[in-house]
Amino acid sequence: AQSVTQLDSHVSVSEGTPVLLRCNYSSSYSPSLFWYVQHPNKGLQLLLKYTSAATLVKGINGFEAEFKKSETSFHLTKPSAHMSDAAEYFCVVSDLGGFKTIFGAGTRLFVKA
Amino acid sequence: KAGVTQTPRYLIKTRGQQVTLSCSPISGHRSVSWYQQTPGQGLQFLFEYFSETQRNKGNFPGRFSGRQFSNSRSEMNVSTLELGDSALYLCASGRTGMNTEAFFGQGTRLTVV
Repeated sequence: AQSVTQLDSHVSVSEGTPVLLRCNYSSSYSPSLFWYVQHPNKGLQLLLKYTSAATLVKGINGFEAEFKKSETSFHLTKPSAHMSDAAEYFCVVSDLGGFKTIFGAGTRLFVKA
Repeated sequence: KAGVTQTPRYLIKTRGQQVTLSCSPISGHRSVSWYQQTPGQGLQFLFEYFSETQRNKGNFPGRFSGRQFSNSRSEMNVSTLELGDSALYLCASGRTGMNTEAFFGQGTRLTVV
């Protein structure tokens, strides 16, 4: 069975400081893992994806995530937060066939000036 | 190239009515997935279609149904609307399934009164 847990429902950082959004997953298969971002009243946009290649994945807008199989984690990081990063972030796990996809509950990121 | 188009963007319906939402995927994408997003339940998977066949279904009552046409466009129908069906309905398209990058539309905001 698959599951995904986003460990924080809300994260607040100051502009220019690092961002860490935590995600743990459970999967019976070698999963595909994704991070999506949703700005208010918008659809979701893919930030990055892991599909069994390099464990450190670089995405758009300076975000990156590291796949750690031993810790079953896929945390999202960014060295320096920008005001425009304020949004909701979703960690997603999918089996290789893409037949079963599960979204985390989301983490809302607040960025203070 | 054009993104995923969902119509209408906003909809107000009365309890007991039915509604049909439309999703036009990106050209060449054969997989279309539907999600319901509410503040209380987060993002929940409804169903996924690939080449006109429903491949996977979430845990929603039979009032929620969908179909996909030969041109990959998809419709979602909700019959006998309930107040709790008020939500943002998101559609995502992909080449083969959710294990590859999914592109989301902006959603249809359904309000049931």
